[in-house]
Amino acid sequence: DIQMTQSPSSLSASVGDRVSITCRASQDIRNGLGWYQQKPGKAPKGLIYAASKLHSGVPSTFGGSGSGTEFTLTISSLQPDDFATYYCLQHNSYPWTFGQGTKVEIK
Amino acid sequence: QVQLVESGGGVVQAGKSLRLSCSASGFIFSSHGMHWVRQAPGKGLECLAFISDNGSIKYYGDSVKGRFNIARDNSRKRVYLQINSLTAYDTAVYFCARGGFGLDVWGQGTTVTVSS
Repeated sequence: DIQMTQSPSSLSASVGDRVSITCRASQDIRNGLGWYQQKPGKAPKGLIYAASKLHSGVPSTFGGSGSGTEFTLTISSLQPDDFATYYCLQHNSYPWTFGQGTKVEIK
Repeated sequence: QVQLVESGGGVVQAGKSLRLSCSASGFIFSSHGMHWVRQAPGKGLECLAFISDNGSIKYYGDSVKGRFNIARDNSRKRVYLQINSLTAYDTAVYFCARGGFGLDVWGQGTTVTVSS
């Protein structure tokens, strides 16, 4: 199975900050990478698929980049509603696999 | 609207079996692969199983191969997850999710608690 290594595991930031989260794949997954936001007690919500495409309704403050083995989720200006845990998911080859998650907390 | 609703969770004794169900509505179910994902308390997300749109292709995560079985009934718009020989490690919230652009629709989850 493809291993996904996500970093950092947590970060503290303020409203308005620019935040980046990285995911590395153990082998080339082309652009088969998605990002998900999860709040406590809720199901995950899709933000990005195919490395850089936004799911419908996702604010443009979220952006994704990368290909091959290294990918980045960037939040250009952190909003109060963005404090949550974020996961990457490789959807290039089965079985799909998640990164370990990054908790974004209020500084 | 597009919706997935899981059911079948509960408190189950270790060693027993359980079948989870996920009911779909608001989209053409038979056109989509479906996934099961779980989240143990305080832990991250784990992909468990995938089934293709017509049920002919199945994949499982390494940790559940041989013990979990995914199936679907397109006439009833349902996907199932059979879990055998339950252990404490199977205590988790189980989500079904639609495969499309990644996992683009999620259910609310059903909780499985394994008791000894």
